[in-house]
Amino acid sequence: KAGVTQTPRYLIKTRGQQVTLSCSPISGHRSVSWYQQTPGQGLQFLFEYFSETQRNKGNFPGRFSGRQFSNSRSEMNVSTLELGDSALYLCASSLGSGDLKSPLHFGNGTRLTVT
Amino acid sequence: GESVGLHLPTLSVQEGDNSIINCAYSNSASDYFIWYKQESGKGPQFIIDIRSNMDKRQGQRVTVLLNKTVKHLSLQIAATQPGDSAVYFCAENQAGTALIFGKGTTLSVSS
Repeated sequence: KAGVTQTPRYLIKTRGQQVTLSCSPISGHRSVSWYQQTPGQGLQFLFEYFSETQRNKGNFPGRFSGRQFSNSRSEMNVSTLELGDSALYLCASSLGSGDLKSPLHFGNGTRLTVT
Repeated sequence: GESVGLHLPTLSVQEGDNSIINCAYSNSASDYFIWYKQESGKGPQFIIDIRSNMDKRQGQRVTVLLNKTVKHLSLQIAATQPGDSAVYFCAENQAGTALIFGKGTTLSVSS
């Protein structure tokens, strides 16, 4: 079974631009979560989508947004990029149904550099 | 806010030794815990999980121990190998909320 796929792997953008990152979950997984990873802050939760609805949201500004499609694929968008947005953005998928506890399975991330 | 933390940022062991990585959590309502391994250039990889109704769970060469009284979680790796060198994260979850990660422990295995 193919793992979580994130594209692109690397991105370089300029301050003020916007960026869209893409994530394809493991087949059959309906929940997709996004995390930002930086050396100083570690892994920080951005948001989670389940069946095209945002189910949880972290403490990030409104410049960070996401969506999920009917095939469970997800995108996240960052508008008006700032230097501090430079990070590894990780997508993870899980079965995520109801109270069933299931682990997140991560992709290898998109490395975003803002100059 | 409440968060999951780790006792040591780095741990160095010799090949063949047993490794113990510790984690303290502060949310007594958390009921699900996971250990992840992250190698350079890759995303976190699931190692093992444990629910709050258990004290111990074993996998292949790994054991997770949960002490709810003192809110402590540990990962034991038996016969540590150079390929085990990575950053290890514990994560905790309360029903209906997001998975929250600790800061990570870097395990270095020398041969």
